[in-house]
Amino acid sequence: DTGVSQNPRHKITKRGQNVTFRCDPISEHNRLYWYRQTLGQGPEFLTYFQNEAQLEKSRLLSDRFSAERPKGSFSTLEIQRTEQGDSAMYLCASSLAPGNTEAFFGQGTRLTVV
Amino acid sequence: DAKTTQPTSMDCAEGRAANLPCNHSTISGNEYVYWYRQIHSQGPQYIIHGLKNNETNEMASLIITEDRKSSTLILPHATLRDTAVYYCIVRVAESALSSNTGKLIFGQGTTLQVKP
Repeated sequence: DTGVSQNPRHKITKRGQNVTFRCDPISEHNRLYWYRQTLGQGPEFLTYFQNEAQLEKSRLLSDRFSAERPKGSFSTLEIQRTEQGDSAMYLCASSLAPGNTEAFFGQGTRLTVV
Repeated sequence: DAKTTQPTSMDCAEGRAANLPCNHSTISGNEYVYWYRQIHSQGPQYIIHGLKNNETNEMASLIITEDRKSSTLILPHATLRDTAVYYCIVRVAESALSSNTGKLIFGQGTTLQVKP
């Protein structure tokens, strides 16, 4: 297993376009998280899945954002009608539940909205 | 989850021990202390975590004070590759009966610069 994989690593899009990111977690991990990180700040929690169920969404996740994890394996994060303020690093993490174990993060997808 | 306070930045000489402090004065009895680090342009990486006792692994040692209101992460022999942002996070312990999500609340962390 090569860890958490995120694609693409970089994405440049024009304002108003839709973008979709993919996350492939560690295969046996039932928990999956999305975070967003802007320059100079720590990652901020966006949403959480346990298997295929989306159990928590942050207030940061506006109506333009939607995340899915259809078969409890990979996940996608879609941003509709992108805005310049959406420019950030989008990080995915996975872990096993329940348990006080560590989360494993992917390398992230860096989104630039021009 | 309890809030943590860390210095914004620290320097350390290569080969010396790096001691990174964290205050978590409002920590509850059922909250763990976790440390992650983030090297530039990479995702965060788990380092170590503990509840009450000091912990050591191949990466670092975690020293938690007896009152649990503060902790120190120790990198025993810092190298240039240890230059990163280090995050101290307090997280509620989980059990099979709990409904916690395991999400992590990151602060701004400590930027550790290891110098030759």
